[in-house]
Amino acid sequence: QSALTQPASVSGSPGQSITISCTGTSSNVGGYNLVSWYQQHPGKAPRLIIYKVNERPSGVGDRFSGSQSGNTASLTIAGLQAEDEAAYYCCSYGGGWTYVFGTGTDVTVL
Amino acid sequence: EVLLVESGGGLVQPGGSLRLSCAASGFSFSSYWMSWVRQAPGGGLEWVADISQDGRGKSYVDSVKGRFTISRDNAKNSLYLQVNSLRADDTAVYYCARPPEYCRDTGCIDSFDFWGQGTMITVSS
Repeated sequence: QSALTQPASVSGSPGQSITISCTGTSSNVGGYNLVSWYQQHPGKAPRLIIYKVNERPSGVGDRFSGSQSGNTASLTIAGLQAEDEAAYYCCSYGGGWTYVFGTGTDVTVL
Repeated sequence: EVLLVESGGGLVQPGGSLRLSCAASGFSFSSYWMSWVRQAPGGGLEWVADISQDGRGKSYVDSVKGRFTISRDNAKNSLYLQVNSLRADDTAVYYCARPPEYCRDTGCIDSFDFWGQGTMITVSS
């Protein structure tokens, strides 16, 4: 149940696209198509922005997209906006109704 | 509107115990698996435990096995987390969370779609 590996920080200018990686193992990310992504602003509860690798909940803009290749999942934010500045966490099912989150990535809009 | 409201956190000495509660409203509580997720100060998210609709299925992260117990009372629309033998590294905000609508009446969680505002446990002497 080791945390999934994410870069500590990613930055980009307004309008640019950024990608956050999330690396696990064949026991979690690579074993299931059940990666989700969360956005968390300081002092707030996390918000689901991607589920089942690449599905977006209603109300989440299409600037957010997800993908997966093997043991690594990715979140892409297109057309970066100031309000996208937040912490982002991936999460994967790990079998046996267990889940593991990523280490988290702070996104900075320059 | 789905609403999850946690309570029961506080300052506790190492080795102490607390019982966290999560009051649910706005949805059919008994139809969903439910989960607890925690976040240490300045740290990342950590899944802690989850429980099936009827309370029979339970899973825990290794670090809390034998110390924490998840339970629920569907008649009261409430989720609980009994936390015993607390350690300094249990200091965190504890969130209860619900899976997406499509997981209703199934064995899935998949992701955490609804979250409470959290309740803080501080373990310190």
